[in-house]
Amino acid sequence: GAVVSQHPSRVICKSGTSVKIECRSLDFQATTMFWYRQFPKKSLMLMATSNEGSKATYEQGVEKDKFLINHASLTLSTLTVTSAHPEDSSFYICSAGAGSGLNTEAFFGQGTRLTVV
Amino acid sequence: LAKTTQPISMDSYEGQEVNITCSHNNIATNDYITWYQQFPSQGPRFIIQGYKTKVTNEVASLFIPADRKSSTLSLPRVSLSDTAVYYCLVGDGTGANNLFFGTGTRLTVIP
Repeated sequence: GAVVSQHPSRVICKSGTSVKIECRSLDFQATTMFWYRQFPKKSLMLMATSNEGSKATYEQGVEKDKFLINHASLTLSTLTVTSAHPEDSSFYICSAGAGSGLNTEAFFGQGTRLTVV
Repeated sequence: LAKTTQPISMDSYEGQEVNITCSHNNIATNDYITWYQQFPSQGPRFIIQGYKTKVTNEVASLFIPADRKSSTLSLPRVSLSDTAVYYCLVGDGTGANNLFFGTGTRLTVIP
């Protein structure tokens, strides 16, 4: 099946610095990718929808200036956590859809564990 | 946007069949039902997808009644490695409509 690769798998950064997470669709083109955040023992929360060649659509309560999303090509979307703080520590997951309509299947990256110290 | 409701947790012994039911009373005509499995510190993994009646693949079966207001994921003869969180999602495959996760069901398989 289709593969979505996320990098890095884990990162530790100092408070105040920025961290970039990459999400790549390896064997299919994804005009739309999705970014989630997941806290321990909680469900995935959709943060934003990344659209190739246009601005991302953010969910209510998600700061677009804090979580910068760039989707410059059909196979790559990046999420940059700017001026990270300890409360940004979380598990970030991206996904991309392959197919359309009833045949759409979302493929997820392996996730990125961000720890801000 | 169809909301889903699942049991928060379930326990099962190894070798038993496990059925996890999901309620989606507001499912729309164009929505289909997808189940994902998630292990700790990993992204969700697709298990099965269906629109109506019964769908079966190599790992699970999905039962959907005629009114489509619920669905049941059936895992035959579970093993310890099936301990995970299982999410049921409904959506029409466009945009993010099918990608809002509910609470999921935490399945614990006991030896």
